[in-house]
Amino acid sequence: AQKITQTQPGMFVQEKEAVTLDCTYDTSDPSYGLFWYKQPSSGEMIFLIYQGSYDQQNATEGRYSLNFQKARKSANLVISASQLGDSAMYFCAVGSPMEYGNKLVFGAGTILRVKS
Amino acid sequence: NAGVTQTPKFRVLKTGQSMTLLCAQDMNHEYMYWYRQDPGMGLRLIHYSVGEGTTAKGEVPDGYNVSRLKKQNFLLGLESAAPSQTSVYFCASSYSRKSSYEQYFGPGTRLTVT
Repeated sequence: AQKITQTQPGMFVQEKEAVTLDCTYDTSDPSYGLFWYKQPSSGEMIFLIYQGSYDQQNATEGRYSLNFQKARKSANLVISASQLGDSAMYFCAVGSPMEYGNKLVFGAGTILRVKS
Repeated sequence: NAGVTQTPKFRVLKTGQSMTLLCAQDMNHEYMYWYRQDPGMGLRLIHYSVGEGTTAKGEVPDGYNVSRLKKQNFLLGLESAAPSQTSVYFCASSYSRKSSYEQYFGPGTRLTVT
């Protein structure tokens, strides 16, 4: 069974600074995808960034980048120039194929608070 | 293009009551999923469907039933609600390509069972 570990229950960062949210995963699937989702206090799940297991380059989406270290099974999210609106819960997830369909397995999340 | 919608947004049930949560998507996705989110935990898969008329169990299926009579709709039923089913429920949908794992989420339904 897959397991996703987010070791930081909560993080604080000063506005305009960068922050790294940790994620390690355990999967035996040869092909998989790594996702980060943001969940603000309003509750919706917002897709941030995706990295395929065979992608050579780390994914970037605006202020978000994914530090992918395949051998270490690590997929950390880096947020540059933090903004007050970045305060939210962040989930790491691994997507992989099932016999029928695909599945996403989520970590427990990290709460990020941005201080002004 | 509304994406994934869920009805209702909030609901309070008494123990033993039944209800159905409706999920609808307008993206012509083959796959649909129901998750629950409990405090301090990530989302956990309840049931899923890979096509009209097909459903399968996920990680935490007990106490729930599902139906997919139309491609765009996926219903989650609680036959006899229990306080342990107090949670936020998310529906999601995705394409059927094996290498495309992204799922599109609805806004969630907050269910309280007293």
